[in-house]
Amino acid sequence: AQSVTQLDSQVPVFEEAPVELRCNYSSSVSVYLFWYVQYPNQGLQLLLKYLSGSTLVKGINGFEAEFNKSQTSFHLRKPSVHISDTAEYFCAVSDRGLTGGGNKLTFGTGTQLKVEL
Amino acid sequence: SAVISQKPSRDICQRGTSLTIQCQVDSQVTMMFWYRQQPGQSLTLIATANQGSEATYESGFVIDKFPISRPNLTFSTLTVSNMSPEDSSIYLCSAGLGTAANNEQFFGPGTRLTVL
Repeated sequence: AQSVTQLDSQVPVFEEAPVELRCNYSSSVSVYLFWYVQYPNQGLQLLLKYLSGSTLVKGINGFEAEFNKSQTSFHLRKPSVHISDTAEYFCAVSDRGLTGGGNKLTFGTGTQLKVEL
Repeated sequence: SAVISQKPSRDICQRGTSLTIQCQVDSQVTMMFWYRQQPGQSLTLIATANQGSEATYESGFVIDKFPISRPNLTFSTLTVSNMSPEDSSIYLCSAGLGTAANNEQFFGPGTRLTVL
């Protein structure tokens, strides 16, 4: 079984400031890691994903995340946020193999990023 | 990638009735999933919609309450049966290629359900 912990339910930040959204996971098998963003009244959009290779992953809208296996973390960062980044951010994991259940995603509880002027 | 549409986008229903939500993908996909997002909470997987066979349900979800169909590789439906106010949620459909090399899932815009 897998689990995802997003300790920060809300993160307020001023525009043009840097931000880090934290994500820790627990799994007995190797995993793929994802960050999704949900804008108000919309579905989820993939920001970035870690499948293998370089532990620093760059995504859309200037976001990046670093996979740290020893700390079982996949924190999301952006050096300078914009008002339009205000949204809910979800970290998710799935196992690497098709273990009979396909690539099911387990989501964290989400972090509401609120960018203020 | 895949573009996913859902119908209806929102509905208000009376207690005891049923609602069927449709999910259409613009290309053939291996995997389709249904999630529930209760107010202020994260996404919880309801079931995997299997083409040509019965859906695979997660713990806490049963076929009698959430019957699912998947007649082909681009379409699926989820029915919320005998609704109660506790079923008020956003229901999201997702699709993926389901390969080890590409584990990405694409999400529909969701169906916002309110049960009175």
